[in-house]
Amino acid sequence: EVQLVESGGGLVQPGGSLRLSCAASGFTFSSVSMAWVRQAPGHGLEWVANIKDDGNKAFYVDSVTGRFTISRDNAKNSLYLQMNSLRAEDTAIYYCARGWGSEWGQGTLVTVSS
Amino acid sequence: DIQMTQSPSSLSASVGDRVTITCRASQGIRNDLGWYQQKPGKAPKRLIYTASSLQSGVPSRFSGSGSGTEFTLTISSLQPEDFATYYCLQYNSYPWTFGQGTKVEIK
Repeated sequence: EVQLVESGGGLVQPGGSLRLSCAASGFTFSSVSMAWVRQAPGHGLEWVANIKDDGNKAFYVDSVTGRFTISRDNAKNSLYLQMNSLRAEDTAIYYCARGWGSEWGQGTLVTVSS
Repeated sequence: DIQMTQSPSSLSASVGDRVTITCRASQGIRNDLGWYQQKPGKAPKRLIYTASSLQSGVPSRFSGSGSGTEFTLTISSLQPEDFATYYCLQYNSYPWTFGQGTKVEIK
């Protein structure tokens, strides 16, 4: 059974940093691309970033380019999202997802507020 | 960027009704589209991939169709557990983009 478990969310001040993690199990992690998707409170879904299976290529939505970095450790079956220069509009539940969104984790809440 | 226009934004329907939700892409995306169901406080769940392929374990009352720029999700006979918000997602090109969502409510 595919399992994705996010962690690392919390309350952070504007301009601060946070690193999210996603622990994967139940599939061959190193063979699939992975994604982060977020959902602001009361809003729809927004794709944030993708990373290829070998970690050598990543893609980002414009609003986070230069501030967020997606990475992975295939030896640890883990996906990461380093978030810097956080803004109030980054407040959301952050989900990790496998491949083209076949399975999702339960999400972790990031709140950016002073 | 490819814009996904989803309609309607909400609808009221009764158990047993046939429900249709549409997504229109601003440019052709072949069949690189998925449909998701999200219930309050829960993560989205994929129902359909490559526009018309049913995700394993999803009831057969859900179906998807379309290619290019016009896509449809159909629920053939709405069940109580289907009241939720539905989203389309194009993954043809980056940035991936979602439709705005359709909230299906009980009439």
